[in-house]
Amino acid sequence: EAGVAQSPRYKIIEKRQSVAFWCNPISGHATLYWYQQILGQGPKLLIQFQNNGVVDDSQLPKDRFSAERLKGVDSTLKIQPAKLEDSAVYLCASSGEAGSAYGYTFGSGTRLTVV
Amino acid sequence: AQSVTQLDSHVSVSEGTPVLLRCNYSSSYSPSLFWYVQHPNKGLQLLLKYTSAATLVKGINGFEAEFKKSETSFHLTKPSAHMSDAAEYFCVVSEPRRTDKLIFGTGTRLQVFP
Repeated sequence: EAGVAQSPRYKIIEKRQSVAFWCNPISGHATLYWYQQILGQGPKLLIQFQNNGVVDDSQLPKDRFSAERLKGVDSTLKIQPAKLEDSAVYLCASSGEAGSAYGYTFGSGTRLTVV
Repeated sequence: AQSVTQLDSHVSVSEGTPVLLRCNYSSSYSPSLFWYVQHPNKGLQLLLKYTSAATLVKGINGFEAEFKKSETSFHLTKPSAHMSDAAEYFCVVSEPRRTDKLIFGTGTRLQVFP
């Protein structure tokens, strides 16, 4: 079974620029999550999709972050404009068991550095 | 609100000696608890999960954890460390009505010396 694919692996941008990350979940997984992992901290949920609908975006900074999941498969997370504090690893995960933590699979993440 | 506290940010052991990574949780309900491992440049991998069926939970790669309600602890152990165990370990709790919303601790970096 192929894993959760994320790209790019690394990205360095200047503050106030925009950036986008891409995630391809495991085939057939209806639920997709984006987590933010700041250095020295555990991952924090940003947004959860069920198919192409948003289930939870309560911790997404909506003034600068946006995410979409067209056709209920791939997803993109965008930051515009980026701030220094957005430097982090952005993890995508997918699950085939709606509402359950037991079917989670994480991608390797995109490491963003904002300078 | 649910939360977990990992009591050690770094743990160093020699290869072949026991591993103990400590985690305390805070929960108003019967919690769902997990341990995840993160190797450099790799995705988070589930080590084990507590589902209230048994207090001693066995996971992959020889790891196990014991749920102790009286101590609100869920410590991770392994009898004999291997060099390949060097990684970041996260204790995780999930929300009672949103079991797929994971709340991570701050992590414990395990170093294994030869």
